[in-house]
Amino acid sequence: GQQVMQIPQYQHVQEGEDFTTYCNSSTTLSNIQWYKQRPGGHPVFLIQLVKSGEVKKQKRLTFQFGEAKKNSSLHITATQTTDVGTYFCAVLTQGGSEKLVFGKGTKLTVNP
Amino acid sequence: NAGVTQTPKFQVLKTGQSMTLQCAQDMNHEYMSWYRQDPGMGLRLIHYSVGAGITDQGEVPNGYNVSRSTTEDFPLRLLSAAPSQTSVYFCASTLTSGGVETQYFGPGTRLLVL
Repeated sequence: GQQVMQIPQYQHVQEGEDFTTYCNSSTTLSNIQWYKQRPGGHPVFLIQLVKSGEVKKQKRLTFQFGEAKKNSSLHITATQTTDVGTYFCAVLTQGGSEKLVFGKGTKLTVNP
Repeated sequence: NAGVTQTPKFQVLKTGQSMTLQCAQDMNHEYMSWYRQDPGMGLRLIHYSVGAGITDQGEVPNGYNVSRSTTEDFPLRLLSAAPSQTSVYFCASTLTSGGVETQYFGPGTRLLVL
């Protein structure tokens, strides 16, 4: 089935440093979504990317979809303690079966 | 709107017991789904429904049943609880608008099976 690899699994940064998490697939993706889950909370939808090479920004967050639509990244500039949490990518399985498959997530901790 | 609600928030079961995790949404979304989240495993799809009366299996359906008699409700039943079902369970409903499919998650149910 559709699989998506997310790296790194953990990332610890000093406040003010940048952070990037990557999502990679062996097959071409129709779209990719990103979610954030705060400690003890539930996943919250951040964004969906659809077009090859697409770049979208949300304040300090930059989302990118690769030209081949096989990878994606989430970059946070100048991290803050409020960025702490786990970031997941998610992709729709092939064949229009409406199943969303999640990566295992990158857990971000920020040292103030 | 209350969004997606789940009950109970916490539950402890003994092996072999059965129970139903409740999920409801008031956003009139057709698509709903159940996930379980285990440490280091991300979210794995258990069952999903594309509308009332229609359900299908996800990645890890064994040991779970679902039904969708109304658009609003999507309960998850554990038939005979096992320690391997200790997990955090999230229900979600999906809004499709302008080509974007946004999943709204409930607060989760933390289940411990002894």
